[in-house]
Amino acid sequence: RKEVEQDPGPFNVPEGATVAFNCTYSNSASQSFFWYRQDCRKEPKLLMSVYSSGNEDGRFTAQLNRASQYISLLIRDSKLSDSATYLCVVAPGSWGKLQFGAGTQVVVTP
Amino acid sequence: IAGITQAPTSQILAAGRRMTLRCTQDMRHNAMYWYRQDLGLGLRLIHYSNTAGTTGKGEVPDGYSVSRANTDDFPLTLASAVPSQTSVYFCASSEAGGADTQYFGPGTRLTVL
Repeated sequence: RKEVEQDPGPFNVPEGATVAFNCTYSNSASQSFFWYRQDCRKEPKLLMSVYSSGNEDGRFTAQLNRASQYISLLIRDSKLSDSATYLCVVAPGSWGKLQFGAGTQVVVTP
Repeated sequence: IAGITQAPTSQILAAGRRMTLRCTQDMRHNAMYWYRQDLGLGLRLIHYSNTAGTTGKGEVPDGYSVSRANTDDFPLTLASAVPSQTSVYFCASSEAGGADTQYFGPGTRLTVL
């Protein structure tokens, strides 16, 4: 079983719509959680950290559910530029060993 | 400021050949990492370095070696390349270890025939 699992998608989203997707993790001792964004054939870049109380960054909202061991990302008012693969990243607490999910592809269409 | 640079951008390599992927950062970050990214598998950690002079094994270290002679450089060497090492390789760095934000280089696309 993978330590971090994501629905690969693609999620096809009309421009202006809302899209949400989850990521599950297997290590209940995981302490830090992130969403990274990766554009086609580019390097991953940090989108946002995920805090226990949930957090927003503009049109992006991240939530953490420790009891069910998943994190979510919601994108409101989707823009064409939001088309990318979103990587769920979990830090189990041991040094230098972030666990990356395989990514969820989002395609925003006009 | 360039951040992290990787070279080459892409490479086609015959099986059995030796290859070194270069990675240089100018952010004076202590920690550096090498990942490979394969379709459907996500990023997998090959080797990492907490600080200059130290290295550690990640999830998939076999067939790869690294060195960290100074803060800026973290080369990855394939001693004898095999086709299963065909992948996209990303170097990353972070100010410290643990859950610090990792900054990635642009990647090296390696094909081993």
